Amino acid sequence: EAGVAQSPRYKIIEKRQSVAFWCNPISGHATLYWYQQILGQGPKLLIQFQNNGVVDDSQLPKDRFSAERLKGVDSTLKIQPAKLEDSAVYLCASSLVGGGSRTYEQYFGPGTRLTVT
Amino acid sequence: QKEVEQNSGPLSVPEGAIASLNCTYSDRGSQSFFWYRQYSGKSPELIMFIYSNGDKEDGRFTAQLNKASQYVSLLIRDSQPSDSATYLCALLRGGYQKVTFGIGTKLQVIP
Repeated sequence: EAGVAQSPRYKIIEKRQSVAFWCNPISGHATLYWYQQILGQGPKLLIQFQNNGVVDDSQLPKDRFSAERLKGVDSTLKIQPAKLEDSAVYLCASSLVGGGSRTYEQYFGPGTRLTVT
Repeated sequence: QKEVEQNSGPLSVPEGAIASLNCTYSDRGSQSFFWYRQYSGKSPELIMFIYSNGDKEDGRFTAQLNKASQYVSLLIRDSQPSDSATYLCALLRGGYQKVTFGIGTKLQVIP
């Protein structure tokens, strides 16, 4: 079974530029998450999709961040314009939805390390 | 008060000892808890899931949940240098099963 795919793995941009990240979840996983992990901190949820609907985006800085999940499969996260404090690893994760304890297990992609200079 | 509290460490234990990692949470409505392990530069990987009061064992790992006292812990028996990583506590709650992570505790197992 293929894991969660993310691209690019690394990105360096200047402040005020825009950047986009792509995520392809595990086949059949209905729930997709985007997290921001700043060095030395735990992952912070930015947005959670269930199929192609948003169920939680309370911590997404909507003035600069946007995300979409087309056809309930892959997803893109965009930052425009970027700020220095956006430097972080952006993690995508997916999980099954349904009964049973294991269905809430999140499988993480390798992440995208963003550096804003 | 943070939803999930962990000591950032580092926690240093000698090889072969028991490592004890703790996590407290503020929301009594929290239903289930995860322990993830994250090696430096890598993504988190799930090592334990617990939702019932008491202990849950899986190999060298034991998770303990006490909902009355609002804490969850992870014990690692016979610690190995390969266990050196950051251990993230996460809680699962709400109708849409939102996951909230703690800051993580860095564990160092000294050979």
